[in-house]
Amino acid sequence: DAGVIQSPRHEVTEMGQEVTLRCKPISGHDYLFWYRQTMMRGLELLIYFNNNVPIDDSGMPEDRFSAKMPNASFSTLKIQPSEPRDSAVYFCASRQGLAGQETQYFGPGTRLLVL
Amino acid sequence: AQSVTQLDSHVSVSEGTPVLLRCNYSSSYSPSLFWYVQHPNKGLQLLLKYTSAATLVKGINGFEAEFKKSETSFHLTKPSAHMSDAAEYFCVVSGMNTGNQFYFGTGTSLTVIP
Repeated sequence: DAGVIQSPRHEVTEMGQEVTLRCKPISGHDYLFWYRQTMMRGLELLIYFNNNVPIDDSGMPEDRFSAKMPNASFSTLKIQPSEPRDSAVYFCASRQGLAGQETQYFGPGTRLLVL
Repeated sequence: AQSVTQLDSHVSVSEGTPVLLRCNYSSSYSPSLFWYVQHPNKGLQLLLKYTSAATLVKGINGFEAEFKKSETSFHLTKPSAHMSDAAEYFCVVSGMNTGNQFYFGTGTSLTVIP
C-alpha cells in the first residue's frame, strides 16, 4: 500500500489567495483526519470524517477553512482567503473503522507558507 | 477527559547510551496509548501502541514502552541510542468518542550526541 498521500508537499502563496490541500487515505480506511502542526500550538485536530461524513469540525479555526470528502478515496482542505497565520504543516491521517483499530496512519504533510 | 503530558520537551543523550522519554496520561477509562516519531520534515510514524494486552510493548527500531496503570505512565525507552533516533517523539492517548480521537502530547525532541 502506498500509505496516505498528500499533495502538494509544499505550497507558497500570498495572503488572500485560495489554498486547496488534498489527501488520499489508505484504501479501506473509514476514518480520515486533518491536523495542523505549528511550533506554537503543536498538533491540532481540525476535522475528521467517518465514511465520508464530517463528524467533528470543532477544531476548524474559522469560516475561512472548509473540508470535504466527496468519496472514500479523496478529501480536500480549503482555506479561502489565506492569511499569514495559516502558515503551518497540514497532515492528513486515516484509520480503519474496526473496533480496536485506533492506529492512525499519517501522510507526509503539506508545508504551507502564506506571505 | 483524556490528556497526555510529556515531561521533557528536550532530551539529549550520547550515542550508545539508554534513552528514556517520559509520558504521563490522564484518562477516565482504560486507554489506548501510542508513541509516534517524527523525523525532520517528515510525517508521523507509529513506533508502538498499547491496547490493553501486554503491559510491556515492543515497537520498531528497538524501542519499547511499559504501561503502568498505578503511575499513569507510558514511558518510552531504548537500551542504546543511535544517531538515526534523533527526532521528535509524541505520546498519544486515544479517546472514547466515535472516531477514537487522538490527544497528542506536546512532543519531546531527542538529540543524540556522537
